[in-house]
Amino acid sequence: EVQMLESGGGLVQPGGSLRLSCAASGFTFSIYALSWVRQAPGKGLEWVSGISGSGGSTYHADSVKGRFTISRDSSKNTLYLQMNSLRAEDTAVYYCAKDKGLAGRPGRYYFDYWGQGTLVTVSS
Amino acid sequence: DIVMTQSPDSLAVSLGERATINCKSSQSVLYTSNNKNYLAWYQQKPGQPPKLLIDWASTRESGVPDRFSGSGSGTDFTLTITSLQAEDVAVYYCQQYYNTPVFGQGTKLEI
Repeated sequence: EVQMLESGGGLVQPGGSLRLSCAASGFTFSIYALSWVRQAPGKGLEWVSGISGSGGSTYHADSVKGRFTISRDSSKNTLYLQMNSLRAEDTAVYYCAKDKGLAGRPGRYYFDYWGQGTLVTVSS
Repeated sequence: DIVMTQSPDSLAVSLGERATINCKSSQSVLYTSNNKNYLAWYQQKPGQPPKLLIDWASTRESGVPDRFSGSGSGTDFTLTITSLQAEDVAVYYCQQYYNTPVFGQGTKLEI
């Protein structure tokens, strides 16, 4: 059974940093691309960042480029999101999501498994 | 960037009736080399993460009831739910994966 468990969310001041983690199990971790998708309170879904199965390719939405960094550790089956220079508009539930792996084109992801999410609140 | 626009933003349908949700992309998501539409549909119930319903515009995920169907090609797509059930109350999102992922704004479906 595929499981994905996010952690690391919390309250942070504007300009601060936070690192999210997502522990994954139930699939061959190094094969599948993974992403972070966020959802602001009462709003829709926004893809944030994605990383290839090998970790060699990363992609970020323009809204977070230069501030967020996605990475993965295959020895720990864990996905990370380092978030720096946080803004109020980054407040959201952050989901980690597994790419289904069939699009066949780099960075072209869609998601067959999701975690339950972790809430990040950016406020003074 | 491709922009995904859903309509309507919300709709109310009676139990047992048909619900139709539309999704329009600002450019074609049909990849001509394989003739596939890079379009997925998700269902999100309150307090839960999204659930993948349909990929390639019309292929249902395993376990998804056959009252859910997807159609369309190029820039215009439709999610149809026939014979609406109470458990179908949710927000539905389309997402293109022709480029890096972009979601529609969501359509809230109520009874």
